[in-house]
Amino acid sequence: QQKVQQSPESLIVPEGGMASLNCTSSDRNVDYFWWYRQHSGKSPKMLMSIFSNGEKEEGRFTVHLNKASLHTSLHIRDSQPSDSALYLCAASPSNMGYKLTFGTGTSLLVDP
Amino acid sequence: EAAVTQSPRNKVAVTGGKVTLSCNQTNNHNNMYWYRQDTGHGLRLIHYSYGAGSTEKGDIPDGYKASRPSQENFSLILELATPSQTSVYFCASGDPTGGEEQYFGPGTRLTVL
Repeated sequence: QQKVQQSPESLIVPEGGMASLNCTSSDRNVDYFWWYRQHSGKSPKMLMSIFSNGEKEEGRFTVHLNKASLHTSLHIRDSQPSDSALYLCAASPSNMGYKLTFGTGTSLLVDP
Repeated sequence: EAAVTQSPRNKVAVTGGKVTLSCNQTNNHNNMYWYRQDTGHGLRLIHYSYGAGSTEKGDIPDGYKASRPSQENFSLILELATPSQTSVYFCASGDPTGGEEQYFGPGTRLTVL
């Protein structure tokens, strides 16, 4: 069973729209979360990280974390065709030397 | 920017053969990782290392060995390759200080016939 669950599996949003992606860990030892983005045929690149409860914003990207429910979400506003990619959520316990467990990802398509 | 390179980029191997995938990083990062990526499974950790001379088992180590002879180099070894090991393999490096971002190499596409 996947310890990091992502939803939805795939998502289509219009250009300029809002994309919302979800991620939940079933491992109660997890403290830290990351979001990676992987364009087709490329390697993953870190988008954002969040370690504390609350919200973090960087440009068009906002990440929320609720540690009690081990749930994080990524919101992309004013979505662009270049945002079309696989979005991977990763989680790690703070005492595991950043040994990441990845989810299976959400495939986002931004329709121009 | 952090640089991680992998070789070969593509490899076709025969069942039962030995395969070595190599990874080099110029970031001076202590931590290095080997993942495989398959549709429906995401990225899964095979082996990782905290520094030269150390290797640790990840979540799916069976059928794989790892070697970290230096800070810069981390190899993944398939002693007896099987078709189930056909996959895309990614190497990554990371710095554990202050919230580790992992920097990924370009990947190696391995096909075992």
